[in-house]
Amino acid sequence: DAGVIQSPRHEVTEMGQEVTLRCKPISGHNSLFWYRQTMMRGLELLIYFNNNVPIDDSGMPEDRFSAKMPNASFSTLKIQPSEPRDSAVYFCASRPAGGPTDTQYFGPGTRLTVL
Amino acid sequence: LAKTTQPISMDSYEGQEVNITCSHNNIATNDYITWYQQFPSQGPRFIIQGYKTKVTNEVASLFIPADRKSSTLSLPRVSLSDTAVYYCLVGDAGSARQLTFGSGTQLTVLP
Repeated sequence: DAGVIQSPRHEVTEMGQEVTLRCKPISGHNSLFWYRQTMMRGLELLIYFNNNVPIDDSGMPEDRFSAKMPNASFSTLKIQPSEPRDSAVYFCASRPAGGPTDTQYFGPGTRLTVL
Repeated sequence: LAKTTQPISMDSYEGQEVNITCSHNNIATNDYITWYQQFPSQGPRFIIQGYKTKVTNEVASLFIPADRKSSTLSLPRVSLSDTAVYYCLVGDAGSARQLTFGSGTQLTVLP
């Protein structure tokens, strides 16, 4: 299996621009997570989907952030407009169907720099 | 969610056994204990998970006492490549609110 695929791996943009991050989860996994990691705040859960439905988006920082999962094999995280404080590494993770155990498989991340 | 407390950093030498302890005093009956490892510029990677007593896999062992208020990740004979951040997570992954990554423990293995 190719694992979780994220694109782009690096993104540099200017303040005010729209940024779209993409994720392809592992085939057969039914949960998908978006995280943000910075030195100051560590690894933060932004949103998670179960069977393509957003279950908990309480970690989304503000209305500038939105996430979609139109099908089981694709998800996007959009920032519009972007700000310098959004600079971070954004990880996508997927998890197989199942009960109370947690085995998330992380992608390589997208390093976002907003100038 | 059960709050976890683990040391911020630890140093060890190659070939030694390393034990990282995590405290989770308010762990709930349905909660599992999960450990992840993160190398620089990579996403976290699942290491091991347990509910009680001892769990062992090819990478590590996890010791959980009867009261489950703490857990210890044991890495046998560490090498330089084990230098990473180790996260302890506690929770019921089936609940609406997912597990939370804390600050983690930075393990540095010295030659």
